[in-house]
Amino acid sequence: DAGVTQSPTHLIKTRGQQVTLRCSPKSGHDTVSWYQQALGQGPQFIFQYYEEEERQRGNFPDRFSGHQFPNYSSELNVNALLLGDSALYLCASSGNRDYQDEQYFGPGTRLTVT
Amino acid sequence: QKEVEQNSGPLSVPEGAIASLNCTYSDRGSQSFFWYRQYSGKSPELIMSIYSNGDKEDGRFTAQLNKASQYVSLLIRDSQPSDSATYLCAVNEGYSSASKIIFGSGTRLSIRP
Repeated sequence: DAGVTQSPTHLIKTRGQQVTLRCSPKSGHDTVSWYQQALGQGPQFIFQYYEEEERQRGNFPDRFSGHQFPNYSSELNVNALLLGDSALYLCASSGNRDYQDEQYFGPGTRLTVT
Repeated sequence: QKEVEQNSGPLSVPEGAIASLNCTYSDRGSQSFFWYRQYSGKSPELIMSIYSNGDKEDGRFTAQLNKASQYVSLLIRDSQPSDSATYLCAVNEGYSSASKIIFGSGTRLSIRP
């Protein structure tokens, strides 16, 4: 049973550029949430996708956008990158019928903005 | 601003002892509570979920929930060096399922031989 997968593992971008991160949920899950984790902090909720719609959003600017595909996989896009966007970006999937809000994380994408 | 508070540590516990990790939360509407373990450089791993007041045991781990006090804790019995990690407390926001999860900043646990 495949767990949550994310790509790429690491990414280095320059200020002002745009980046796309990808996530495939755990088998049987239909909900994908994205988080940003800075060093020494807990994950911060960016947004959640369900049925190809953004269902909830955290306190992140519109530079952060996303998409969910019919196969439940998801993308996170960040435009006009800032140095402060350097972080570990985590995708979590959920949707098991009995424990719908248990979220399982992928390995993350480490983004460095220079 | 709904918050989840944890002592950042580090918490140092001798091998074989009980490690006790604590967490408080501000949202009285929260219904789901989670503990994640995160090793350095890795992503968080779900180790316990709890939904009702009282204790829930799973192997060496026991989660305790007191909604009246807005307090959740994690006990690790017979602590092992492999338990050394950061432990993240997480709480759902509001009543809906599959909702936004708010994380604490984590407690660093160190098990000393």
